[in-house]
This record gives sequence, structure tokens and C-alpha cells, in this order.
Amino acid sequence: AQTVTQSQPEMSVQEAETVTLSCTYDTSENNYYLFWYKQPPSRQMILVIRQEAYKQQNATENRFSVNFQKAAKSFSLKISDSQLGDTAMYFCALPIRGGSEKLVFGKGTKLTVNP
Amino acid sequence: DVKVTQSSRYLVKRTGEKVFLECVQDMDHENMFWYRQDPGLGLRLIYFSYDVKMKEKGDIPEGYSVSREKKERFSLILESASTNQTSMYLCASSFGGRGNEQFFGPGTRLTVL
Repeated sequence: AQTVTQSQPEMSVQEAETVTLSCTYDTSENNYYLFWYKQPPSRQMILVIRQEAYKQQNATENRFSVNFQKAAKSFSLKISDSQLGDTAMYFCALPIRGGSEKLVFGKGTKLTVNP
Repeated sequence: DVKVTQSSRYLVKRTGEKVFLECVQDMDHENMFWYRQDPGLGLRLIYFSYDVKMKEKGDIPEGYSVSREKKERFSLILESASTNQTSMYLCASSFGGRGNEQFFGPGTRLTVL
């Protein structure tokens, strides 16, 4: 079964600094997608970034980028120039099978950006 | 913008009551999902629907059922609510196919007394 592990239950960072959230996973698939979702306090969960496993280039969305290491089954999220609005729960997710639309989520990392 | 709405933000029910949680999406998405979110456990999938009247069990379907009579609406039913079903319930929807983004509703915080 696919598993997703987020080893940092809570993290904090100063505004304008860079922070990296870790995610490791286990899968027997060769081609799959990986996702990072963000859930701000009392607001809806939204997609931050997604990576397709066959693409070697790491995905980037503005201040958000990933470090995808397929062999190590690692998918960390880097947030540059952290802003107060980045305070949120962050969830890493992986399809339960390569072609599935159902996701398995990690337990989340609570990130606090301090002024 | 994609919009996923849930019928209630907060709900308080008594043990043994039948509870209906409603979710509506306005983007003609094929897929709809019900998750349960608990602190320290992340999101766990209760049920998934990939078409009208079609459903698949997720990781924790026990004590729940679902109904999808129309494409835009996906209902989660607690046949006989119990205190261990006190939780945050999130609905999501997406287009069919691999790698598509799931769009989430605001959540319903259900308390069963």
C-alpha cells in the first residue's frame, strides 16, 4: 500500500526566510503524481504544487518549489521569502495507485510564519 | 472559479441520529470525494464517486454511506451517529483522470453528543 510520511508535525519560520517541509513516501509504481496541498486556518484547502514522477525537473510555482528525489522517494516543499499568509497546514499526497484519482495524504505539517 | 460548497459549517447532533452532509460543486466534475480530517491523522478518504450513482469505498467507510443522484451533488450519510464520528468532514471534487487537482469545500465540523 502507498504510504506518505511527513516527519515534522510543526515548524516555524521568520517572515522573509526560507523553509523546507519534508515528505517521504512509499510506492511500487513507476509513474505517478505527487501533490502538496495547503490549508490556511479556517479556510479551504488548496493545491500548492504538483509533480509528475517521470519529469526530472522539479516543479516550481512562484515562491514554492519542490525537491523531488525519485530514487529516495522524497518530495520536499521549499517556501522562499516566507509570508504571513503562508501560515497553514501543509499536506503531501500521493495517488493510492499510479493511475488512481484517490489520494493518500500525509498527516500534515503545521507551519507558522512569524513576523 | 471552481466552487465546492458544503451545507453546514458547524453541526451538532445527538448519538443515534441520522445525519446528512451535503456537498455541491459547480464545475461539472466527474469525481467527488468525502474525507474526514482529525488532528494528527491527516485526511482519510471515506468514499469516492466517479460518476452519478457510482461509488467506491475509501479507507474508513464503516458507519457511513453516500448518495450521488446528480453529478453536482454528493451526500454523506451517517446512519446512526456516534461520538467517535465527531470530526471535520471535507468534500472535494475533480475532473476525471490522473493528476488532476482536487478542489475542496470549506468543511463541516460535526459534533456528536
